[in-house]
Amino acid sequence: GAGVSQSPRYKVAKRGQDVALRCDPISGHVSLFWYQQALGQGPEFLTYFQNEAQLDKSGLPSDRFFAERPEGSVSTLKIQRTQQEDSAVYLCASSSRDYNEQFFGPGTRLTVL
Amino acid sequence: SQQGEEDPQALSIQEGENATMNCSYKTSINNLQWYRQNSGRGLVHLILIRSNEREKHSGRLRVTLDTSKKSRSLLITASRAADTASYFCATVAGRAGNNRKLIWGLGTSLAVNP
Repeated sequence: GAGVSQSPRYKVAKRGQDVALRCDPISGHVSLFWYQQALGQGPEFLTYFQNEAQLDKSGLPSDRFFAERPEGSVSTLKIQRTQQEDSAVYLCASSSRDYNEQFFGPGTRLTVL
Repeated sequence: SQQGEEDPQALSIQEGENATMNCSYKTSINNLQWYRQNSGRGLVHLILIRSNEREKHSGRLRVTLDTSKKSRSLLITASRAADTASYFCATVAGRAGNNRKLIWGLGTSLAVNP
Protein backbone atom coordinates (compact mmCIF):
# COMPACT_ATOMS: atom_id res chain seq x y z
CA GLY A 1 0.00 0.00 0.00
CA ALA A 2 0.94 3.65 -0.09
CA GLY A 3 3.51 4.86 2.39
CA VAL A 4 3.77 8.15 4.23
CA SER A 5 3.83 11.12 1.89
CA GLN A 6 4.92 14.67 2.57
CA SER A 7 4.57 17.87 0.61
CA PRO A 8 6.22 19.93 -0.54
CA ARG A 9 9.49 18.00 -0.86
CA TYR A 10 11.45 21.23 -0.98
CA LYS A 11 10.57 24.67 0.31
CA VAL A 12 12.59 27.87 0.13
CA ALA A 13 11.30 30.69 2.30
CA LYS A 14 12.48 34.19 2.99
CA ARG A 15 13.16 34.96 6.61
CA GLY A 16 9.94 36.05 8.27
CA GLN A 17 7.62 34.10 5.98
CA ASP A 18 5.15 31.55 7.28
CA VAL A 19 5.31 28.00 5.93
CA ALA A 20 3.01 24.98 6.12
CA LEU A 21 4.24 21.43 5.71
CA ARG A 22 1.83 18.59 5.05
CA CYS A 23 1.97 14.94 6.03
CA ASP A 24 -0.29 12.15 4.79
CA PRO A 25 0.23 9.12 7.05
CA ILE A 26 -0.42 5.52 6.19
CA SER A 27 -4.16 4.93 6.18
CA GLY A 28 -5.38 3.65 9.52
CA HIS A 29 -2.25 4.57 11.47
CA VAL A 30 -3.24 6.05 14.78
CA SER A 31 0.05 7.67 15.74
CA LEU A 32 1.79 10.47 13.88
CA PHE A 33 5.12 12.04 14.68
CA TRP A 34 7.03 15.08 13.45
CA TYR A 35 10.83 15.24 13.64
CA GLN A 36 13.40 17.84 12.67
CA GLN A 37 16.71 16.70 11.21
CA ALA A 38 19.63 19.06 10.78
CA LEU A 39 22.38 18.24 8.29
CA GLY A 40 24.61 15.46 9.57
CA GLN A 41 22.52 14.88 12.67
CA GLY A 42 19.95 12.38 13.81
CA PRO A 43 16.28 13.32 13.93
CA GLU A 44 14.98 15.34 16.86
CA PHE A 45 11.45 14.81 18.12
CA LEU A 46 9.05 17.71 17.69
CA THR A 47 5.52 16.50 18.44
CA TYR A 48 3.26 13.44 18.55
CA PHE A 49 -0.42 12.83 17.82
CA GLN A 50 -2.64 9.93 18.67
CA ASN A 51 -5.59 10.32 16.34
CA GLU A 52 -6.48 14.01 16.53
CA ALA A 53 -5.08 14.52 20.02
CA GLN A 54 -1.67 16.14 20.34
CA LEU A 55 -0.28 14.19 23.27
CA ASP A 56 3.26 15.53 23.31
CA LYS A 57 4.58 18.78 21.91
CA SER A 58 7.59 19.05 24.14
CA GLY A 59 10.03 19.10 21.22
CA LEU A 60 8.62 22.15 19.46
CA PRO A 61 11.47 24.69 19.65
CA SER A 62 9.35 27.80 20.04
CA ASP A 63 5.82 29.13 19.90
CA ARG A 64 6.41 29.86 16.23
CA PHE A 65 5.92 26.14 15.62
CA PHE A 66 2.40 24.76 15.52
CA ALA A 67 1.08 21.36 14.46
CA GLU A 68 -2.43 20.07 13.97
CA ARG A 69 -4.22 16.91 12.91
CA PRO A 70 -7.88 17.93 13.06
CA GLU A 71 -9.46 14.76 11.68
CA GLY A 72 -6.92 12.26 12.93
CA SER A 73 -5.39 11.68 9.51
CA VAL A 74 -3.53 14.38 7.59
CA SER A 75 -1.29 16.61 9.68
CA THR A 76 0.15 20.07 9.06
CA LEU A 77 3.23 21.55 10.68
CA LYS A 78 3.21 25.33 10.51
CA ILE A 79 6.18 27.55 11.18
CA GLN A 80 5.49 31.24 11.58
CA ARG A 81 8.01 34.01 10.95
CA THR A 82 10.67 31.57 9.79
CA GLN A 83 14.26 32.08 10.88
CA GLN A 84 17.48 30.78 9.33
CA GLU A 85 17.91 28.30 12.17
CA ASP A 86 14.66 26.66 11.09
CA SER A 87 16.42 25.34 7.98
CA ALA A 88 16.34 21.56 8.23
CA VAL A 89 14.58 18.48 6.92
CA TYR A 90 11.21 17.95 8.57
CA LEU A 91 10.25 14.31 8.79
CA CYS A 92 6.83 12.85 9.42
CA ALA A 93 6.28 9.28 10.61
CA SER A 94 3.24 7.19 11.41
CA SER A 95 2.70 3.95 13.23
CA SER A 96 -0.14 1.64 14.12
CA ARG A 97 -1.30 1.41 17.70
CA ASP A 98 0.16 -1.95 18.46
CA TYR A 99 3.72 -1.61 17.21
CA ASN A 100 6.59 0.73 17.83
CA GLU A 101 7.97 0.62 14.30
CA GLN A 102 7.55 4.01 12.68
CA PHE A 103 7.18 4.51 8.96
CA PHE A 104 8.77 7.68 7.66
CA GLY A 105 7.93 9.95 4.78
CA PRO A 106 10.63 11.37 2.49
CA GLY A 107 10.74 14.63 4.40
CA THR A 108 10.44 18.28 3.47
CA ARG A 109 13.71 20.14 3.11
CA LEU A 110 13.15 23.70 4.30
CA THR A 111 15.70 26.38 3.47
CA VAL A 112 15.23 29.79 5.02
CA LEU A 113 17.19 32.56 3.31
CA SER B 1 18.87 16.38 23.67
CA GLN B 2 19.73 13.11 21.94
CA GLN B 3 20.43 10.32 24.37
CA GLY B 4 21.98 7.68 22.17
CA GLU B 5 25.47 7.45 20.85
CA GLU B 6 26.56 5.43 17.88
CA ASP B 7 30.06 4.11 17.64
CA PRO B 8 31.86 4.56 15.31
CA GLN B 9 30.56 7.77 13.78
CA ALA B 10 32.03 6.79 10.41
CA LEU B 11 33.03 3.41 9.02
CA SER B 12 34.58 2.51 5.68
CA ILE B 13 34.89 -1.14 4.62
CA GLN B 14 35.29 -3.26 1.51
CA GLU B 15 32.44 -5.12 -0.10
CA GLY B 16 32.04 -8.54 1.46
CA GLU B 17 33.36 -7.51 4.87
CA ASN B 18 31.20 -7.31 7.97
CA ALA B 19 30.23 -3.98 9.51
CA THR B 20 29.59 -3.58 13.23
CA MET B 21 27.96 -0.52 14.74
CA ASN B 22 27.29 0.00 18.44
CA CYS B 23 24.58 2.00 20.13
CA SER B 24 24.92 3.06 23.76
CA TYR B 25 22.52 4.79 26.08
CA LYS B 26 23.17 6.22 29.52
CA THR B 27 19.84 4.97 30.81
CA SER B 28 18.02 1.67 30.51
CA ILE B 29 16.69 0.92 27.08
CA ASN B 30 13.19 -0.19 26.21
CA ASN B 31 12.83 -1.50 22.70
CA LEU B 32 15.67 -0.52 20.40
CA GLN B 33 15.24 0.09 16.73
CA TRP B 34 17.71 0.53 13.91
CA TYR B 35 16.99 2.65 10.87
CA ARG B 36 18.88 3.28 7.64
CA GLN B 37 18.94 6.56 5.76
CA ASN B 38 20.35 6.80 2.26
CA SER B 39 21.51 10.12 0.90
CA GLY B 40 18.48 12.12 -0.11
CA ARG B 41 16.03 9.45 1.01
CA GLY B 42 13.87 8.88 4.03
CA LEU B 43 14.47 6.73 7.06
CA VAL B 44 13.71 3.05 6.67
CA HIS B 45 13.11 0.74 9.62
CA LEU B 46 15.51 -2.22 9.68
CA ILE B 47 15.00 -4.20 12.86
CA LEU B 48 13.55 -3.91 16.35
CA ILE B 49 14.88 -5.73 19.42
CA ARG B 50 12.96 -5.80 22.68
CA SER B 51 14.53 -5.28 26.07
CA ASN B 52 14.08 -8.96 26.98
CA GLU B 53 15.83 -10.24 23.85
CA ARG B 54 19.56 -10.87 23.68
CA GLU B 55 19.89 -11.35 19.94
CA LYS B 56 17.78 -10.96 16.85
CA HIS B 57 18.35 -11.73 13.17
CA SER B 58 16.84 -10.37 9.99
CA GLY B 59 18.49 -11.45 6.76
CA ARG B 60 22.09 -10.16 6.85
CA LEU B 61 21.37 -8.10 9.95
CA ARG B 62 22.05 -9.20 13.50
CA VAL B 63 21.42 -7.21 16.65
CA THR B 64 22.98 -8.28 19.94
CA LEU B 65 22.67 -7.00 23.50
CA ASP B 66 25.43 -6.28 26.03
CA THR B 67 23.65 -5.60 29.30
CA SER B 68 26.85 -4.67 31.13
CA LYS B 69 27.52 -1.80 28.74
CA LYS B 70 23.87 -0.86 28.16
CA SER B 71 24.61 -1.16 24.46
CA ARG B 72 23.36 -3.01 21.49
CA SER B 73 25.26 -3.63 18.30
CA LEU B 74 24.13 -3.95 14.72
CA LEU B 75 26.10 -6.34 12.54
CA ILE B 76 25.73 -6.31 8.77
CA THR B 77 27.31 -9.42 7.27
CA ALA B 78 28.69 -9.77 3.75
CA SER B 79 28.26 -6.06 3.08
CA ARG B 80 27.33 -4.71 -0.33
CA ALA B 81 27.88 -1.34 -1.95
CA ALA B 82 24.13 -0.77 -1.64
CA ASP B 83 24.51 -0.88 2.15
CA THR B 84 26.25 2.50 2.00
CA ALA B 85 24.08 4.77 4.14
CA SER B 86 23.74 6.33 7.57
CA TYR B 87 22.51 4.02 10.32
CA PHE B 88 20.66 5.32 13.37
CA CYS B 89 19.60 3.63 16.56
CA ALA B 90 16.52 4.85 18.35
CA THR B 91 14.73 3.92 21.52
CA VAL B 92 11.23 4.63 22.66
CA ALA B 93 10.84 7.19 25.41
CA GLY B 94 8.07 6.33 27.81
CA ARG B 95 6.50 3.06 28.77
CA ALA B 96 7.25 0.08 26.57
CA GLY B 97 4.28 -1.04 24.54
CA ASN B 98 2.91 2.43 23.99
CA ASN B 99 3.67 4.54 20.98
CA ARG B 100 5.90 7.32 22.14
CA LYS B 101 8.54 9.47 20.62
CA LEU B 102 11.82 7.97 19.51
CA ILE B 103 15.06 9.22 21.00
CA TRP B 104 17.78 9.02 18.37
CA GLY B 105 21.51 8.61 18.27
CA LEU B 106 23.81 10.69 16.08
CA GLY B 107 24.22 7.92 13.51
CA THR B 108 27.02 5.95 11.90
CA SER B 109 27.95 6.80 8.35
CA LEU B 110 28.85 3.54 6.58
CA ALA B 111 30.70 3.47 3.27
CA VAL B 112 31.04 0.11 1.51
CA ASN B 113 33.62 0.26 -1.25
CA PRO B 114 33.22 -2.00 -4.30
